[in-house]
Amino acid sequence: GQQVMQIPQYQHVQEGEDFTTYCNSSTTLSNIQWYKQRPGGHPVFLIQLVKSGEVKKQKRLTFQFGEAKKNSSLHITATQTTDVGTYFCAGLVNTDKLIFGTGTRLQVFP
Amino acid sequence: DSGVTQTPKHLITATGQRVTLRCSPRSGDLSVYWYQQSLDQGLQFLIQYYNGEERAKGNILERFSAQQFPDLHSELNLSSLELGDSALYFCASSAAGGADQPQHFGDGTRLSIL
Repeated sequence: GQQVMQIPQYQHVQEGEDFTTYCNSSTTLSNIQWYKQRPGGHPVFLIQLVKSGEVKKQKRLTFQFGEAKKNSSLHITATQTTDVGTYFCAGLVNTDKLIFGTGTRLQVFP
Repeated sequence: DSGVTQTPKHLITATGQRVTLRCSPRSGDLSVYWYQQSLDQGLQFLIQYYNGEERAKGNILERFSAQQFPDLHSELNLSSLELGDSALYFCASSAAGGADQPQHFGDGTRLSIL
C-alpha cells in the first residue's frame, strides 16, 4: 500500500545544532503538509507545499518539496529547546487521501 | 487553542465494552477526521466525514463506526474493545471536504483498556 516514511525516527541534538528530517513517499504526491506535535500535545499544522521543487521558510525552519514530488524535507537551523517534539509530514495522494508519515522525534539538549 | 473540542479527555474501561468519543469541529469547518495514535506510533487515519456524509475511509476496524450529525459534531463508537485499542484518539477538522486542506486537531481522547 501507499506509505510515507520519515527518517530518522529519532534525533538528539545539542541546542544550536541544525536538524533535518526527510520524508519519502512510494508514490507521487499532490502536495505535502508538515505538522509538529509537542510532547503530550496534538499535531499542529505548520505548512503546505504544492509545487515541484518548492521551498518555503518560516524563521529558522526551511521546508522543501522534491522535484519528483515524492520526497520532502524539513530543516531547522540552530535548534532551540522549544523545537522539541515530533515532526510529521503528510502526503496527499490522488488529491483525496492524506497519508501521515511515521514521524521524527526531535530532542534538544540545552 | 485549535478550536476543536474533544470529550472526554480520558476514558478507562474494560475489554469487551463499548465507548463513544465526541468531537466538535472548529466553527465553520465542515470536515471531521478521526485518527488513532498508539504509543510511540504515527497517526493512523480512521475515517473522514464531510457535511454529514462519509467522505473517506482508512484503516478503521469493523468494530469501530462513526457519524457526523447535522450540527457537524461527530462521534466515534468503539465496541467489543480489546487491549490493543488502547491509544490516543484524535479528531481533526478542516474547512472543506478536500484532503488538501490544513487540518486542525483537538487535544485527543486517551483511551485505556484494562
